[in-house]
Amino acid sequence: GENVEQHPSTLSVQEGDSAVIKCTYSDSASNYFPWYKQELGKGPQLIIDIRSNVGEKKDQRIAVTLNKTAKHFSLHITETQPEDSAVYFCVVDGSARQLTFGSGTQLTVLP
Amino acid sequence: DVKVTQSSRYLVKRTGEKVFLECVQDMDHENMFWYRQDPGLGLRLIYFSYDVKMKEKGDIPEGYSVSREKKERFSLILESASTNQTSMYLCASKYDTGPYEQYFGPGTRLTVT
Repeated sequence: GENVEQHPSTLSVQEGDSAVIKCTYSDSASNYFPWYKQELGKGPQLIIDIRSNVGEKKDQRIAVTLNKTAKHFSLHITETQPEDSAVYFCVVDGSARQLTFGSGTQLTVLP
Repeated sequence: DVKVTQSSRYLVKRTGEKVFLECVQDMDHENMFWYRQDPGLGLRLIYFSYDVKMKEKGDIPEGYSVSREKKERFSLILESASTNQTSMYLCASKYDTGPYEQYFGPGTRLTVT
C-alpha cells in the first residue's frame, strides 16, 4: 500500500516567519494531494490541495508544491500567525479509493 | 455546510464490552470512513464504505466491524473492547470516490479500562 512520510513532527516558528512541512510518498499512481489542518478538539479540515498535473498552487499565505518525479510535496505558510498553530497532515489519495495520511506536524507559532 | 456528527465526544468502557460508535452526515455523501488517531501515527483507516451496505477494510480492521444500513449513518463496532483500542476515533464523509474533500466529525475519545 501507499506509504507517506512527513517531516518534521514538530515545528516552532516566530510569528511572521515562514513554515515549511515536507512529505514523500511511494505510489507513483497517486494523483491528488490534499493538506488538512487539525485544531485542538476538532476534526481535520482541508486547507489546500494539489493535483498531479500542477506543480504549485497558492491560496493567500498558503502554498503547496509538488514534484511528481521525486514523489514529494510540501506545504509553505508565510507570515505565520498564532491562529496557524495546529497539527498539519499531508495526505495522498492513491489508487485504492482511500486516503493515506502522514504522521502529522505540530506547528507552534510563537508570539 | 456539511455536518458530520458523532454520538459521543468521550466514552469510557470496560475490557470485553461491545462498543458502538455512531456517525451521521447530513449532505447525502456516498462515501464514509472510520479512522483512529494515535500520537505520532497520524490517522489510520479502519473501514470505509462507498455505498449503503457496502464496506471495505482499511489498514487496521482487526478487532472492528462496521455497519451502514442507511446512507447517512455509519457505525463502528468493537465486538470485545480491549485496552489497545483506547484511542481517538474520527468519522468522515466524502461526496464520492475521487479527489473530493473529506469532512470530519469532532471525534470520540474512547478509553477502555
